[in-house]
Formats: sequence, structure tokens, C-alpha cells
Amino acid sequence: GENVEQHPSTLSVQEGDSAVIKCTYSDSASNYFPWYKQELGKGPQLIIDIRSNVGEKKDQRIAVTLNKTAKHFSLHITETQPEDSAVYFCAASRSGSARQLTFGSGTQLTVLP
Amino acid sequence: DSGVTQTPKHLITATGQRVTLRCSPRSGDLSVYWYQQSLDQGLQFLIQYYNGEERAKGNILERFSAQQFPDLHSELNLSSLELGDSALYFCASSAGGLTDTQYFGPGTRLTVL
Repeated sequence: GENVEQHPSTLSVQEGDSAVIKCTYSDSASNYFPWYKQELGKGPQLIIDIRSNVGEKKDQRIAVTLNKTAKHFSLHITETQPEDSAVYFCAASRSGSARQLTFGSGTQLTVLP
Repeated sequence: DSGVTQTPKHLITATGQRVTLRCSPRSGDLSVYWYQQSLDQGLQFLIQYYNGEERAKGNILERFSAQQFPDLHSELNLSSLELGDSALYFCASSAGGLTDTQYFGPGTRLTVL
């Protein structure tokens, strides 16, 4: 089955700096890669996603890049703000009738004011 | 607010007992997924239903079962509970078909004493 590895497990940045979180996946059939933000006591919230026919996607301060050949994808957050502090999860799934997500282990991002 | 609702928010019970967790998907969504989040295992897929039918099974124990009703709400039944079943249980929904995007509910925190 699919295996998703995520690094780093913790990341501290100064407010205004950029943050980068990286994930690798093992199943070459995976073609959908979402990123979720989870705040304490809440469910994961989708922040951006990318499909395998696209190399990069951007939404304001958040961007995701995908390298299918190397089987890795990254989340980039620019101009970080204290409210960006949370746990971020990457995930992968393949097409077909069952589209369950395989998650990475999470990154605790702390933005220092 | 994702539009996915889960009840109850918290559940405290004893070993050997049985509990039922309930999920209502977003309006119009046909697919429901159940995930377990624990400190040692991370976020793991349990089971998926699509329009009332089981679509995929993940690492779900035999003591656990689920169903999706004609009104599309879903229930996850956990029986013969063990201490190790203490975790957060999330439900996610998607439109189904070719749509991958999953929206998560706020979760149910289960504590087994």
C-alpha cells in the first residue's frame, strides 16, 4: 500500500519568514495530494490540493509543488503569521472507486511573533 | 465550518463496552470516510461508504463496524472496547464519483477507561 513520509516533524519560523514542509510517497499510482491544517481540538481543514497533471498550484500565501518523477511534493507558506501555527498534514490517494487518504505523520509549525 | 457534523464531541466509557459515533456528511455528498487519529498511529483510514454501500476498508478492527443509511448519515460502531481504542475519530465526506476532495468533521474524542 501507499506510504507517505513527512519532514520535518517540527518547524519554528519567525513571523514573516517562509515555511517549507516536504513529503514523499511510494505508490506511483497516487495522483491526488491534499494538504490539511489541524488546529488544537479541531478536525483537519483542507488548505490546498494538487493533482498529478499539475506541477505547481498557488493560493495567496500558500503554494504546493509536485515532482512526480521523484515522488515528492512540498507545501510552501510565505509571509507566515502567528495564526499559521498548527499541525500540517500531507496526504496522497489514487484514482478509482476508493479514494481513501494516506497521511503523513504531521508537522507542528510554530510561527514566533 | 466544513459542513460535516459529528456527534458526540466527547465520549467516555469503560473497557468492554460498545459505543456508536454518528456522522452527517455535507449536503449533497454521497461518500463518507472514517479515520482514526491516535498519538502512536497518526491519522489512519478505517472505512469508506458511497451511497449506502461499503467501498473500501483500511485498518479497521473486526470489533469495529460501520454503515451508511438512506439519508446518507453514517454510524461507526465500536465494540468490546479496549484502552488502546482511545483516540479521535473523524468522519470526512466528499461528493463521490470523480471528486477527491474530502472535508473533515470536528471529530469525536473517545476515552476508554
